[in-house]
Amino acid sequence: NAGVTQTPKFRILKIGQSMTLQCTQDMNHNYMYWYRQDPGMGLKLIYYSVGAGITDKGEVPNGYNVSRSTTEDFPLRLELAAPSQTSVYFCASSWGGPPDTQYFGPGTRLTVL
Amino acid sequence: AQKVTQAQTEISVVEKEDVTLDCVYETRDTTYYLFWYKQPPSGELVFLIRRNSFDEQNEISGRYSWNFQKSTSSFNFTITASQVVDSAVYFCALSEAGGSADGLTFGKGTHLIIQP
Repeated sequence: NAGVTQTPKFRILKIGQSMTLQCTQDMNHNYMYWYRQDPGMGLKLIYYSVGAGITDKGEVPNGYNVSRSTTEDFPLRLELAAPSQTSVYFCASSWGGPPDTQYFGPGTRLTVL
Repeated sequence: AQKVTQAQTEISVVEKEDVTLDCVYETRDTTYYLFWYKQPPSGELVFLIRRNSFDEQNEISGRYSWNFQKSTSSFNFTITASQVVDSAVYFCALSEAGGSADGLTFGKGTHLIIQP
């Protein structure tokens, strides 16, 4: 049981490039989340999903897109990367919605130059 | 709107000292849940505890203990006899149980440094 896995662990992008951050969970959780963590700050919610085929915006969705075609996978897409998207990205999952405990992946550190 | 405040940006203590991390929250809901997560230098987020708003009993788990006081909207975390391995950033978080599927509201974290 691997829990929540994320790839890649590190990535450097040039301004204007695009990429997809992968997130997979093997706990059969219904809910999945994407957060970003900026230095000295707590985590902020980008997008979440309550089940396959259903996604919704969080607090800071601009510049990102998501899809949820399966229960296990919840990729985050960055289009036209900007320096403001330099951050650490965490994926999380939970069995049910709040207040079920969310379990986090190891994070992806992204730098946009 | 919900909010979590961790006023201590960084705390440094010598090993074996006791240390308390403060967490103050704001919410309009009567039913809510509070969490603590640990982020060690390796970067992952590790779940430590979840408490609901109806349970004000203090919780103890080994060297860790949590003090939940609704009267002061606080959910403080104490490490007894600290160890170097406790060095990490600790986050307090809040979730309202009002039906929204929005994620957790996090504080900015407290960086705890345990010196040998």
